[in-house]
Amino acid sequence: DGGITQSPKYLFRKEGQNVTLSCEQNLNHDAMYWYRQDPGQGLRLIYYSQIVNDFQKGDIAEGYSVSREKKESFPLTVTSAQKNPTAFYLCASSISGGANEKLFFGSGTQLSVL
Amino acid sequence: DQQVKQNSPSLSVQEGRISILNCDYTNSMFDYFLWYKKYPAEGPTFLISISSIKDKNEDGRFTVFLNKSAKHLSLHIVPSQPGDSAVYFCAASPILTGGGNKLTFGTGTQLKVEL
Repeated sequence: DGGITQSPKYLFRKEGQNVTLSCEQNLNHDAMYWYRQDPGQGLRLIYYSQIVNDFQKGDIAEGYSVSREKKESFPLTVTSAQKNPTAFYLCASSISGGANEKLFFGSGTQLSVL
Repeated sequence: DQQVKQNSPSLSVQEGRISILNCDYTNSMFDYFLWYKKYPAEGPTFLISISSIKDKNEDGRFTVFLNKSAKHLSLHIVPSQPGDSAVYFCAASPILTGGGNKLTFGTGTQLKVEL
């Protein structure tokens, strides 16, 4: 069954701590994305990657970092520099990252600050 | 600057009636539009799309209408069913993104279909 797996489903971060959200896909898609959703707001793009070992900042990249060492995996690290990390984080993928492609989303990770 | 706007945060409709969800955009470079449906604690799933060369696209109970001159699109669901209760996001994409798929999402409309 092809899809996108995000883990964990819930994550808690202590003050000053870095946390990493996992995203794995077996759709053989080249492009992967991280979005953040806050209550009453649309999804906002954090980072995206169209190819292994390459990624670009989205609209709200500050306080976040990513890596793309494998085609299937695109982990997101929320660093201590992100002052308001509480949000619902969504990972997505698309075939090649072309302008008119639909995205396939994972089920999300809810990150909360202790 | 919200380039994609969904001005109705919520909508309540009776089962069997039509649901109409609206979306306005300001960027004239947008030429591809999508609707996503999202249940609580799940990721959005693609519902239907339309490109700017068309003014209507239909898929079963779902129809999307595009009015380019008004920069407005709408999603019609007929007939509405209780399982349609979800948050609906409108999204838009420009003709040339310069690399990568950069969708701009609206804030979403919570649809509730009542028995």
